[in-house]
Amino acid sequence: KQEVTQIPAALSVPEGENLVLNCSFTDSAIYNLQWFRQDPGKGLTSLLLIQSSQREQTSGRLNASLDKSSGRSTLYIAASQPGDSATYLCAVRDVIQGAQKLVFGQGTRLTINP
Amino acid sequence: DAGVIQSPRHEVTEMGQEVTLRCKPISGHNSLFWYRQTMMRGLELLIYFNNNVPIDDSGMPEDRFSAKMPNASFSTLKIQPSEPRDSAVYFCASSLRDGYNEKLFFGSGTQLSVL
Repeated sequence: KQEVTQIPAALSVPEGENLVLNCSFTDSAIYNLQWFRQDPGKGLTSLLLIQSSQREQTSGRLNASLDKSSGRSTLYIAASQPGDSATYLCAVRDVIQGAQKLVFGQGTRLTINP
Repeated sequence: DAGVIQSPRHEVTEMGQEVTLRCKPISGHNSLFWYRQTMMRGLELLIYFNNNVPIDDSGMPEDRFSAKMPNASFSTLKIQPSEPRDSAVYFCASSLRDGYNEKLFFGSGTQLSVL
């Protein structure tokens, strides 16, 4: 059974710092991995999607990498801003459990202090 | 586009009552998903539809839960009878195609509290 783990559960950094969020998964047979952002009381917003054949994806100040063989992904946020404060979740689209099942991690709650 | 629209935003009900959650997917999307989010279990897929047909409902916790999609622009998730352990945030999401590499677009969720 696929399990997705995000460490740390919470992270607080001062504005302007570069930071890395980590995601690990137990089964490397995945179609893709997505990073989402969730603001309090809101739904999830897809940030980046990395297909299993890709190594990384970039969008603005965000860069996500994928090492499928080791079961790891990182989300790099450059020059962090208070507006980046949110919970970040990663999810893998699992092959074994059925292609349409996204298995989510528990998320990392990020706080950027002005 | 208005995005995925869910109603109500908040629902407070008493144990034993019927609860109906509603979802309008993004126009043109033909895959629709219902998720439940709790602190203990995180995000769980309950059921998903493709072209209005339920494809996988293995995540539906019990027979008390049922979902329908009568047309491409509307879906409901019903709980009857509701129980306190059903309290959670229920999300609806849609995607353009039933493809493995399509992004999901989520609604703002329905916060359900069963007393």
